[in-house]
Amino acid sequence: GESVGLHLPTLSVQEGDNSIINCAYSNSASDYFIWYKQESGKGPQFIIDIRSNMDKRQGQRVTVLLNKTVKHLSLQIAATQPGDSAVYFCAENSGGSNYKLTFGKGTLLTVNP
Amino acid sequence: NAGVMQNPRHLVRRRGQEARLRCSPMKGHSHVYWYRQLPEEGLKFMVYLQKENIIDESGMPKERFSAEFPKEGPSILRIQQVVRGDSAAYFCASGSGLAGLKRDDVDEQYFGPGTRLTVT
Repeated sequence: GESVGLHLPTLSVQEGDNSIINCAYSNSASDYFIWYKQESGKGPQFIIDIRSNMDKRQGQRVTVLLNKTVKHLSLQIAATQPGDSAVYFCAENSGGSNYKLTFGKGTLLTVNP
Repeated sequence: NAGVMQNPRHLVRRRGQEARLRCSPMKGHSHVYWYRQLPEEGLKFMVYLQKENIIDESGMPKERFSAEFPKEGPSILRIQQVVRGDSAAYFCASGSGLAGLKRDDVDEQYFGPGTRLTVT
């Protein structure tokens, strides 16, 4: 069954605001997480990843936070731009293999100009 | 350096026909992963292949679906006798298989644009 899911299926923000996309996972053995961005008609694009021995990781305008206690993952996008409009997926690797990813259902982010 | 290529981008088949989806990995990659995405769903792992070898097909339906990655040419996902429930987007990803050198033992996967299969 599904082990990764999202709290909010849609999120609408104003350009320039910060966005927070949430993800819950149920497999406590998961030790590696990835956020992907999928634009309409395209394949998923890697954004940022985090291992379970970390609580926070920052990239360019993006930050991923991991709370292992409540099995929660979030993606923060600073100064959201219209080009950030897409579906965002979290994915996990449970460590049983070095390749198999389990994806959540996705959150549609819409950025209003 | 071309990314992962998939063709066709859109495929329409009638029930009972066969669908063949092709995936050419990135240059230098010898590993291919296939995923299926139903509308408003996340991607579901189907199969993992190396050249001439199926590593893991635990996500593949037992009947009608098969995959191959020959020594020469693209990887092919084949669906025989398609049914309406097969309508979905099929994505392949490629990887180097060199897990452990970059991101702590998880093979980085680069996704193609997908093939959208519609069964009428």
